[in-house]
Amino acid sequence: DAGVTQSPTHLIKTRGQQVTLRCSPKSGHDTVSWYQQALGQGPQFIFQYYEEEERQRGNFPDRFSGHQFPNYSSELNVNALLLGDSALYLCASSWDRPSYNEQFFGPGTRLTVL
Amino acid sequence: GESVGLHLPTLSVQEGDNSIINCAYSNSASDYFIWYKQESGKGPQFIIDIRSNMDKRQGQRVTVLLNKTVKHLSLQIAATQPGDSAVYFCAETRTGSYGKLTFGQGTILTVHP
Repeated sequence: DAGVTQSPTHLIKTRGQQVTLRCSPKSGHDTVSWYQQALGQGPQFIFQYYEEEERQRGNFPDRFSGHQFPNYSSELNVNALLLGDSALYLCASSWDRPSYNEQFFGPGTRLTVL
Repeated sequence: GESVGLHLPTLSVQEGDNSIINCAYSNSASDYFIWYKQESGKGPQFIIDIRSNMDKRQGQRVTVLLNKTVKHLSLQIAATQPGDSAVYFCAETRTGSYGKLTFGQGTILTVHP
């Protein structure tokens, strides 16, 4: 089992550009959550996908959007990039349960916006 | 970002010492609390969790203590090893949130051989 995988590992973009990050969940998991981790801070919840729909969302603007595919993999899209979007973007997967269920994190994609 | 976010609390210990990392949480409705370890260039790795109806839980070399009265969580690492050097985060979640995590700021643990 490869666990949660993310691509690319690193990415450099310029302000105003658009970016797509990808995540493959751990085998057997059907729920994918995305987090943004700025330097020196804890991860912040962006949104969560289940059954190809956005189920819940954190306090992030509409420039952040996502998608989940039938195989449960997911994409995070960020439009009109700002310098402040520079961060480590983490994907976490789990089984669908309303109560707590251990979240398994991928290694992240380091996005740098110049 | 906020400058305060760049100044993570730090804890330096000698190999073999016991380490205690503290965390304050904010949401009284949270009923699960989790400790994560994050090494440089990696995603957070689960260490141990505790449910709100417990005040202590032990794992291998780690113990988590929960004080709901003051909304405080601590992680104790016994016989700390250089491989324990990392950033440690506490996180909280609640039933009904499908595992959505709210993370604390983090503590940098450095273990000297």
